[in-house]
Amino acid sequence: DTAVSQTPKYLVTQMGNDKSIKCEQNLGHDTMYWYKQDSKKFLKIMFSYNNKELIINETVPNRFSPKSPDKAHLNLHINSLELGDSAVYFCASSQVTRAGGSTDTQYFGPGTRLTVL
Amino acid sequence: AQSVAQPEDQVNVAEGNPLTVKCTYSVSGNPYLFWYVQYPNRGLQFLLKYITGDNLVKGSYGFEAEFNKSQTSFHLKKPSALVSDSALYFCAVRDRSSSNTGKLIFGQGTTLQVKP
Repeated sequence: DTAVSQTPKYLVTQMGNDKSIKCEQNLGHDTMYWYKQDSKKFLKIMFSYNNKELIINETVPNRFSPKSPDKAHLNLHINSLELGDSAVYFCASSQVTRAGGSTDTQYFGPGTRLTVL
Repeated sequence: AQSVAQPEDQVNVAEGNPLTVKCTYSVSGNPYLFWYVQYPNRGLQFLLKYITGDNLVKGSYGFEAEFNKSQTSFHLKKPSALVSDSALYFCAVRDRSSSNTGKLIFGQGTTLQVKP
C-alpha cells in the first residue's frame, strides 16, 4: 500500500531534453508538493497544489511546470533540461484544512533521482 | 524571515548511548515543528511533530523531541541509540500564522552515525 508514489525512480537524460516525473498519492489528501534535494542534501520546496490549484510557486525557472489533473496526482514537467537540474525530486502530500486545525503532516514519496548529462 | 538551523553536520554516538540532534528555529508566529529521517536512497519518513500542548513529543522508533519556546529549539532525542538509527535527520518548521499553504522550511540536515 504505497501512500505516495513517484515514477520513474531514476531518470538519466541529455541536456536540452524535456522530461516528466509523475506523482500519485492514495491518502485522500488535498495538497501536494514538489521538493528539490540538491547534491548537498538541502531540501527546498518548489511548488504546491491545493485541490488542483497552485498555491506555492517558489523561485523556480519557467522550464519547470507542474500539472495537477486531479487531487491525487501532481506531475512535474521540465523543459530544456540543464546540468544544474540534476537532483533528487521529492513529491509529498498533506491534508491542509482551511477551517479549524490542520494536522499538516507531509508524507513523502521515495524520490526521483534526475541526472542530466 | 523564517528559518531552521541544524548546527551540526554530523553527530557520532556509540550504540546504546543517548543521542541528541539539535534544531533551532526562527518564525514570526507560533510554529509547527517536525522531524523527518532519510535513510540512504530513500524518501523522507515522518518521525514526530509539535503542534501544541506538551513540550515533550514522542514519535516513531523511540524518538522524542522537546519544544523549548524560550530557546526556540526543538532537539531530537533518543535514550539509547541503535546502529539502524544511522541516517540523515531533518528538522522542519511551518509558521502557522502564515496563509494555509502547508509550506515546510527544512534545516540543512544532520547525519547521525551510530557505531557498534
